[in-house]
Amino acid sequence: GQNIDQPTEMTATEGAIVQINCTYQTSGFNGLFWYQQHAGEAPTFLSYNVLDGLEEKGRFSSFLSRSKGYSYLLLKELQMKDSASYLCAVRDNTDKLIFGTGTRLQVFP
Amino acid sequence: DTGVSQDPRHKITKRGQNVTFRCDPISEHNRLYWYRQTLGQGPEFLTYFQNEAQLEKSRLLSDRFSAERPKGSFSTLEIQRTEQGDSAMYLCASSSTQLGNQETQYFGPGTRLLVL
Repeated sequence: GQNIDQPTEMTATEGAIVQINCTYQTSGFNGLFWYQQHAGEAPTFLSYNVLDGLEEKGRFSSFLSRSKGYSYLLLKELQMKDSASYLCAVRDNTDKLIFGTGTRLQVFP
Repeated sequence: DTGVSQDPRHKITKRGQNVTFRCDPISEHNRLYWYRQTLGQGPEFLTYFQNEAQLEKSRLLSDRFSAERPKGSFSTLEIQRTEQGDSAMYLCASSSTQLGNQETQYFGPGTRLLVL
């Protein structure tokens, strides 16, 4: 079956660092994506990993370990506007995305 | 704005009515995906097209749902005899296979459906 797990909610303070974990078990693997989704809006692409290791894009980094079925999204220097849901998604062997339920992050001043 | 547009943005209908949604992908993208998202959940795959060919349909897609992409550009998703359980956000995404493994899906703003 297809299973993607991530925490439901997280809180953090402005200026801090937060790590959002994602574990997956899917029938195929063609890459892992992270999307940001503000309430009532569409998901926006943040990052993509297909090989093991860390991908860094500004304040956001994403890590992948294929052998462990594990990824994390690291957000540095948190800002209030980072309050959103963060969706972990695996592209399976037919190229569709399988999403987790999302992690709702609240950033406090 | 990702360049993917959807119309309408909101739709309220009565149970039993038919509704149709439209998605216009990024112009050079050959793949178009439909997802459904309910509150507190991640998007769930419904179906997708490569050019005009429908390549996969989810088991979630009952026979009341039909999707088309007649000329390989815009797509429509029709729901017949709507039920209250169809209330959700319907998201469209597009991508280009020219990037190979780097293929990334870009989402439109969604159509929020409420069935009364």
